[in-house]
Amino acid sequence: DIQMTQSPSSLSASVGDRVTITCQASQDIKKYLNWYQQRPGKPPKLLIYDVSILGTGVPSRFSGSGSGTEFSLTISSLQPEDFARYFCQQYDDGPFTFGPGTTVDMK
Amino acid sequence: QVQLQESGPGLVKPSETLSVTCNVSGVSVSRYFWSWIRQSPGKGLEWIGYIYHSGTSHHNPSLRSRVTMSVDPSENQFTLNLRSVTAADTAIYYCVRWMSGTYFDSWGQGTLVAVSS
Repeated sequence: DIQMTQSPSSLSASVGDRVTITCQASQDIKKYLNWYQQRPGKPPKLLIYDVSILGTGVPSRFSGSGSGTEFSLTISSLQPEDFARYFCQQYDDGPFTFGPGTTVDMK
Repeated sequence: QVQLQESGPGLVKPSETLSVTCNVSGVSVSRYFWSWIRQSPGKGLEWIGYIYHSGTSHHNPSLRSRVTMSVDPSENQFTLNLRSVTAADTAIYYCVRWMSGTYFDSWGQGTLVAVSS
């Protein structure tokens, strides 16, 4: 199985901050990488697919980049509704696997 | 607008079969691939498998063929059965649409299933 790791596991930030989360795959997954946001008590929500394409209705302050084994999710100006947990997920090879998540909380 | 809603037993005894059904509204189950994903504190998000209305399916090998999935177009729903459950199968089970073989774009609210005697 392809192992996904994320860093940091958690971070504290303030509204307006620029935040970057990284995701690393245990092998080359090309561009087959998605990002999800999960708020407490809610299911995950698709944020970005294919590394950098925003999901429907996702604000432009979210962006994704990377290829191969190293990827990142950036929030350019953190908003109150962005305090949540973020997961990366690969679909290059089955079984599809998720990273352990990064919690973004309020400083 | 697609909506998914899981219905499950809440509590299942060890060694029994867990069965969760997903009712789909807004689209036909015959048009897309569907997946099951579960989430537990210990194992995070785990992909269980996917199914198409034709019967094409694939599941996570980690579940050692305990998984059966089916689609019922007449009821516009799909179902997960997981046999021989243990406490390790305690999780929130989500039904999800798998778009274009690429991303999971629509999720149900999830149903918590606990395995305990």
